Amino acid sequence: DAMVIQNPRYQVTQFGKPVTLSCSQTLNHNVMYWYQQKSSQAPKLLFHYYDKDFNNEADTPDNFQSRRPNTSFCFLDIRSPGLGDAAMYLCATSERGDNEQFFGPGTRLTVL
Amino acid sequence: QKEVEQNSGPLSVPEGAIASLNCTYSDRVSQSFFWYRQYSGKSPELIMSIYSNGDKEDGRFTAQLNKASQYVSLLIRDSQPSDSATYLCAVNDYKLSFGAGTTVTVRA
Repeated sequence: DAMVIQNPRYQVTQFGKPVTLSCSQTLNHNVMYWYQQKSSQAPKLLFHYYDKDFNNEADTPDNFQSRRPNTSFCFLDIRSPGLGDAAMYLCATSERGDNEQFFGPGTRLTVL
Repeated sequence: QKEVEQNSGPLSVPEGAIASLNCTYSDRVSQSFFWYRQYSGKSPELIMSIYSNGDKEDGRFTAQLNKASQYVSLLIRDSQPSDSATYLCAVNDYKLSFGAGTTVTVRA
């Protein structure tokens, strides 16, 4: 089945220790998104790629970076995680950007 | 700045009843509208998409869109305990703008 896969599902890191979250898709969609979702809040868009074009949200902290080496994979790097970065990180894909987005299962990040 | 407002919850309905969820949006040019279901601790799951004015039915779910009133709704008929979740309204113009969500509890 075509799907969006995220690894790891759970990540524990220490304050200030860099962490990388990965997302892969078999849908061959052009657009990939990274969202941050904290408890009882709606998902917050961090950035997205339309093919190779990177689009950063204005309020995304510099601490967050992303890479998309090919159509199938996208990575979220958190250079120096703080306690406030503990959240669920969601990857989503969309065929064109103006239609449905499909979410992966998410990575739950804990910062100690 | 796009705004998406959902009726405040939580919403509690008895099993077998109709759950009615409402959503309004501020951007008149929005063209794509979605409802996502999110169980606690899980990721959002797309349950309905609607692009044209009127009703769209899929099983027990019916989405209604009125672009003139900037209003989109979701009806869940014959509610089941498994429908207990948070429902997110989302409006898409190359970026999804989410409402805050409405938590639905179906009482057995």
